[in-house]
Amino acid sequence: DAGVIQSPRHEVTEMGQEVTLRCKPISGHDYLFWYRQTMMRGLELLIYFNNNVPIDDSGMPEDRFSAKMPNASFSTLKIQPSEPRDSAVYFCASRARRTGELFFGEGSRLTVL
Amino acid sequence: AQKVTQAQTEISVVEKEDVTLDCVYETRDTTYYLFWYKQPPSGELVFLIRRNSFDEQNEISGRYSWNFQKSTSSFNFTITASQVVDSAVYFCALSERETSGSRLTFGEGTQLTVNP
Repeated sequence: DAGVIQSPRHEVTEMGQEVTLRCKPISGHDYLFWYRQTMMRGLELLIYFNNNVPIDDSGMPEDRFSAKMPNASFSTLKIQPSEPRDSAVYFCASRARRTGELFFGEGSRLTVL
Repeated sequence: AQKVTQAQTEISVVEKEDVTLDCVYETRDTTYYLFWYKQPPSGELVFLIRRNSFDEQNEISGRYSWNFQKSTSSFNFTITASQVVDSAVYFCALSERETSGSRLTFGEGTQLTVNP
């Protein structure tokens, strides 16, 4: 299996621009999670989906952030407009149905200038 | 609310030393799951172990071992005969109620440096 695939791996953009991060979970996994990692706040859960339905988005910082999962094999996290404080590594993870293990992608490092 | 505390921010050891990473958790649930993840310098998060609250047996996997003690709400991780490749940030995490979707709460992480 290819694992959780995230793109882009690195993104540098200017304040005010729209940013879209993409994730392809492991086939057959029923949960998908978006996490953000910063030095100040560590690893924070932003939102998670079960069978493509958003279950808990209480971790989404503000309305500038939105996430979608149109099908079982694809999810996006969008920031519009982006701000320098959004600079972080964004991880996508999917959960194994049987074992409950959470598998992470390699992360998308976002820098907003 | 659930909370995970990793009091050791950084640990530095010399190769072949044993090292223990501490993890203390707080939860009101009787059913919960504990995890350890490794984050090497390359940045990815690597799953190491998952333990449920009803299984207090200690586990050993090669040079890795885990000591789960409900009485002290601790889930410590020991690396025996450490190697330079063990250098990474290690995260302990807690999930309440597995059926709710494995919403993991992470500790702050412990940066382990193994020097040759």
